[in-house]
Amino acid sequence: GAVVSQHPSRVICKSGTSVKIECRSLDFQATTMFWYRQFPKQSLMLMATSNEGSKATYEQGVEKDKFLINHASLTLSTLTVTSAHPEDSSFYICSAWTASSYNEQFFGPGTRLTVL
Amino acid sequence: SQQGEEDPQALSIQEGENATMNCSYKTSINNLQWYRQNSGRGLVHLILIRSNEREKHSGRLRVTLDTSKKSSSLLITASRAADTASYFCATALSGSARQLTFGSGTQLTVLP
Repeated sequence: GAVVSQHPSRVICKSGTSVKIECRSLDFQATTMFWYRQFPKQSLMLMATSNEGSKATYEQGVEKDKFLINHASLTLSTLTVTSAHPEDSSFYICSAWTASSYNEQFFGPGTRLTVL
Repeated sequence: SQQGEEDPQALSIQEGENATMNCSYKTSINNLQWYRQNSGRGLVHLILIRSNEREKHSGRLRVTLDTSKKSSSLLITASRAADTASYFCATALSGSARQLTFGSGTQLTVLP
């Protein structure tokens, strides 16, 4: 099956710093990548949809200036959490979609962000 | 907002027993998918059922879909301790088949 990686898997940072998370599709080209956030013992909440070469579409309530998304190529999307605060601490998961996968999204292993 | 609500929120059973989880949703869908998540890990795709399908099997998994009731169920037969995980349903809405909306999840614990 298609493989999606995320880096880093875990990051701890100080309040006020910015953190970049990478999402890569390793063996296929992803037309669309999705970014989700998951708080402990809760479900995944879609943050934004990212199409290669165009601006990301953010869900209601997600600040686009705080969560910067760049989908520069068909295999890489990045999420930058700018000026992170403790309330941004969460599990961030990306997924990748390609037309040939029909409606299946392939999920990355997630990144645990802890903001001190 | 979440499209799907799942019940039960938590389920604890003995190894060998069957586990049934239910998912309800609110709007018309293109398909419904079930995912599994081990604690602190990413999601594993289990099964996808299209809106024109009523039942699907994959190994020990059986998924049903009732579009008239806007509900789906996931049955895991002969459960194993390794099945312990959170299970989520996710719906792909008609007209937006790529985007998924996740349900609230069921935490399944299978006791050895």
